[in-house]
Amino acid sequence: NAGVTQTPKFRVLKTGQSMTLLCAQDMNHEYMYWYRQDPGMGLRLIHYSVGEGTTAKGEVPDGYNVSRLKKQNFLLGLESAAPSQTSVYFCASQSAGYNEQFFGPGTRLTVL
Amino acid sequence: AQTVTQSQPEMSVQEAETVTLSCTYDTSENNYYLFWYKQPPSRQMILVIRQEAYKQQNATENRFSVNFQKAAKSFSLKISDSQLGDTAMYFCALYGGATNKLIFGTGTLLAVQP
Repeated sequence: NAGVTQTPKFRVLKTGQSMTLLCAQDMNHEYMYWYRQDPGMGLRLIHYSVGEGTTAKGEVPDGYNVSRLKKQNFLLGLESAAPSQTSVYFCASQSAGYNEQFFGPGTRLTVL
Repeated sequence: AQTVTQSQPEMSVQEAETVTLSCTYDTSENNYYLFWYKQPPSRQMILVIRQEAYKQQNATENRFSVNFQKAAKSFSLKISDSQLGDTAMYFCALYGGATNKLIFGTGTLLAVQP
């Protein structure tokens, strides 16, 4: 039982490049979330999903897109990376009947 | 809108002493939950303690306890008998049952000194 996993763990991009972060969970959770963590800012919600095929915007969605084609996976895409997107990205999942979120180990992304 | 405020960016405590981290929040929901998460240098987010807003009794988990003051919208974390392994960033968070979102404070960096 791996819980929540994130791929990759580290990545360096050049401005304008694109990439996709993968989040996978094996707990059959309905809800999944993407956050970014910046110094002094705490964790801020980018996008989330309350079920397969559904997504919604969070607090800081600009510059990101997401997809939830399978219940266990939640993808976060950066179409044209900018230095302002340098951050640590966390994925989390949650059962619909319970309020605790389980977090992945994070992905450190640097955009040069 | 829901907000969470942690006014102590950094704190320090001696090993074996007690420390209290402060958190205030604001929400218009009646059904909500409050959490304290710990983030050690490994970066992993670890749930420390949970409080249901409808429960008057303060939650406790071993050396960790909360002081939940619903009317004042205050939710502080008390760590007793502090250990070196408690050194971490601590985040207060609010979950709204209607919004399905978890809102975090900006965190308090706790250093436990030997």
